[in-house]
Amino acid sequence: RKEVEQDPGPFNVPEGATVAFNCTYSNSASQSFFWYRQDCRKEPKLLMSVYSSGNEDGRFTAQLNRASQYISLLIRDSKLSDSATYLCVFLFSSNTGKLIFGQGTTLQVKP
Amino acid sequence: DGGITQSPKYLFRKEGQNVTLSCEQNLNHDAMYWYRQDPGQGLRLIYYSQIVNDFQKGDIAEGYSVSREKKESFPLTVTSAQKNPTAFYLCASLRQGGTEAFFGQGTRLTVV
Repeated sequence: RKEVEQDPGPFNVPEGATVAFNCTYSNSASQSFFWYRQDCRKEPKLLMSVYSSGNEDGRFTAQLNRASQYISLLIRDSKLSDSATYLCVFLFSSNTGKLIFGQGTTLQVKP
Repeated sequence: DGGITQSPKYLFRKEGQNVTLSCEQNLNHDAMYWYRQDPGQGLRLIYYSQIVNDFQKGDIAEGYSVSREKKESFPLTVTSAQKNPTAFYLCASLRQGGTEAFFGQGTRLTVV
């Protein structure tokens, strides 16, 4: 089983739609969780960290379910500028420091 | 300004030649990482280092080598043993206990 599994999409949605991505992980040593955004041919950039209690940043909501070992990202009121690849990221326990990326989910928001 | 720098941005090499990709950071971060990204794929971990003079293999280390002689620098050598070296290579760094990995702008390596 892969350490991280993420639906690659693509997700094609109209402007204003709500879209959700999930990412599952198999290693319970995962300590910290993040969502990164990557635009075409650019380096990934941090979108938001994911906390156990769930967290929200504007139109974006991230959640963590440790029992089922997955994280999610919800985007409300999609904008054209949200079109990108979204990568889930896991940092394993601090003594190893292994930082693993999911395959990435491509989102295309259309007018 | 603090940051992480990869050079060069584009690199062309002949098949069978070793090539070294540079990664330098002035963020005083302890951990550094090398990833490879192929078209339409996610980032796959090649090597990572938590401290100077120590590093660990990632998921696809075969055909690559690294060194960590200084905290600021983590060069990656793509050897002739790497069967399919053409890819986009990304270097990242992370502060101990930190929550954000910073990336360089990447090196696009093309082997012909």
